Amino acid sequence: DTAVSQTPKYLVTQMGNDKSIKCEQNLGHDTMYWYKQDSKKFLKIMFSYNNKELIINETVPNRFSPKSPDKAHLNLHINSLELGDSAVYFCASSPTGGGRYEQYFGPGTRLTVT
Amino acid sequence: QKEVEQDPGPLSVPEGAIVSLNCTYSNSAFQYFMWYRQYSRKGPELLMYTYSSGNKEDGRFTAQVDKSSKYISLFIRDSQPSDSATYLCAKPPTGANNLFFGTGTRLTVIP
Repeated sequence: DTAVSQTPKYLVTQMGNDKSIKCEQNLGHDTMYWYKQDSKKFLKIMFSYNNKELIINETVPNRFSPKSPDKAHLNLHINSLELGDSAVYFCASSPTGGGRYEQYFGPGTRLTVT
Repeated sequence: QKEVEQDPGPLSVPEGAIVSLNCTYSNSAFQYFMWYRQYSRKGPELLMYTYSSGNKEDGRFTAQVDKSSKYISLFIRDSQPSDSATYLCAKPPTGANNLFFGTGTRLTVIP
């Protein structure tokens, strides 16, 4: 029944480690996103994929690498984690075309780097 | 200048009050606006979207766009403690598929 799901919900890890966050949507949307929400609750786009192709790549360190195995999944891999990567990461999806731009968000993954 | 700017609050109101949440936007080229509600430790949830001037109602919520002043508002009538959350306005840039979000206004409705 869940529209956009993410795993894990919480992730605590040490600096220097590599970790992945997974996202799946069952809404049939073509476009998926990763957002980062910092401690001040500001939501900022990181990446956007449309039909498995990268269409937006904001100024994000290349330690972050998104991968979309199919249009229902968008994973985020982070290498060499740093303290400043601690944040909540949200996956979202949206329909394409039809003049619609609303996005549907997952529950978030709270990443803490120690 | 940011695409959308929002008063971060926080805002506290008594139960039953009418709440007004506001954003301003800078780019008039693409007129499509959204309001999201985010409960603590949850993902943003789409409340309403609108792309025209005037009002759009959904139950106790009304979204209003004033294109002449580049102002968007969300009104909540008969506010309830369950409305306590952070409210974010959002707008896509011209033709693109991502969203620019305001900083969010944290609302607390006191019983």
